Amino acid sequence: DAGVIQSPRHEVTEMGQEVTLRCKPISGHDYLFWYRQTMMRGLELLIYFNNNVPIDDSGMPEDRFSAKMPNASFSTLKIQPSEPRDSAVYFCASSKLSASEKLFFGSGTQLSVL
Amino acid sequence: GDSVTQMEGPVTLSEEACLTINCTYTATGYPSLFWYVQYPGEGLQLLLKATKADDKGSNKGFEATYRKETTSFHLEKGSVQVSDSAVYFCALSPNTGNQFYFGTGTSLTVIP
Repeated sequence: DAGVIQSPRHEVTEMGQEVTLRCKPISGHDYLFWYRQTMMRGLELLIYFNNNVPIDDSGMPEDRFSAKMPNASFSTLKIQPSEPRDSAVYFCASSKLSASEKLFFGSGTQLSVL
Repeated sequence: GDSVTQMEGPVTLSEEACLTINCTYTATGYPSLFWYVQYPGEGLQLLLKATKADDKGSNKGFEATYRKETTSFHLEKGSVQVSDSAVYFCALSPNTGNQFYFGTGTSLTVIP
């Protein structure tokens, strides 16, 4: 298996623009997580899905952030409108069976909002 | 609530030195404990795990023992290599739920 695949690897955009980050989890994994990593706040869980259903979105910073998982092999994280403080590395991770199992992380999307 | 506290970095060591990165946790019940490693430009990957008290996780020369009496899961390695330079994250997953709680990460640099 190719592992968790995220795209793009790098995204540079201007404040106010819409940004869409994409993730393909490992086939057969039931859980998908979106994390944000910054120097100041470390690794923060934004939202996670179980069988394509959002379970906990309490970590989503505000209404500008939204996430979807239309099927078992694809998820998006959208920021609209983007702001400079959204600049971070965004990771997608997936796991099989439950979150107490091993998490497999993608390589991340480095987002810079100018 | 459940949380993980790990040693602040950065840590710089010479090759073949001993490494300890401290990690303590707060949790109800009996969580699973993990160490993840992040190499530059990559996502996190599992280094080792332990699922119950007194279990020892080990991988690539790294070890950590689940100590319930001190609520700790310290990462150790007897002789570090330059290739061990990375950021190390301690993490906890409660057995009642589907969450991971990560520490803030400890950056390790090993110099030849």
